Amino acid sequence: GENVEQHPSTLSVQEGDSAVIKCTYSDSASNYFPWYKQELGKGPQLIIDIRSNVGEKKDQRIAVTLNKTAKHFSLHITETQPEDSAVYFCAASALDNDMRFGAGTRLTVKP
Amino acid sequence: NAGVTQTPKFRVLKTGQSMTLLCAQDMNHEYMYWYRQDPGMGLRLIHYSVGEGTTAKGEVPDGYNVSRLKKQNFLLGLESAAPSQTSVYFCASSGLYEQYFGPGTRLTVT
Repeated sequence: GENVEQHPSTLSVQEGDSAVIKCTYSDSASNYFPWYKQELGKGPQLIIDIRSNVGEKKDQRIAVTLNKTAKHFSLHITETQPEDSAVYFCAASALDNDMRFGAGTRLTVKP
Repeated sequence: NAGVTQTPKFRVLKTGQSMTLLCAQDMNHEYMYWYRQDPGMGLRLIHYSVGEGTTAKGEVPDGYNVSRLKKQNFLLGLESAAPSQTSVYFCASSGLYEQYFGPGTRLTVT
């Protein structure tokens, strides 16, 4: 089955700096790669996703890049703000909806 | 729309007891999922359903059963709870891709 690895497990940045979180996956059949943000005591919420026919996608301060050859994808957050502090999860799935998640990255943005 | 709701929010069980967690969605989604979340391990898929009356095993199905008798509901059952099932359980639903998560159920088995 699919195996997703996520790095780093914790990340601390100054407000205004950029943050990058990286994930690798093992199953070449995976074609959908979402990123979720989880705040304390809440369920994960989708912030951005990318499908395998696209190499990059941007939404305001958030961008995701995908390298299918190398089987890795990354989340980039620019101009970080304290409200970006949360746990971020990457995930990968094929059409069978058996989605596999990374272990998570705890991002802290220091004011 | 309420989105995805879960009942109960918290529960404490003794080893060997049984319980059912209820998930409901009002988005007319075909797919529904049950995950467990443990520290340092992300979310792991327990079971999922691709439509009313169907269920399938995920990554960690042992010790759990599920039923999808109605499209809007997905039930997760623990027949004989074990301390290893102490976790936070999340339900999700989706159309083809994006999954929407409920607020979670924190279960402690003593």
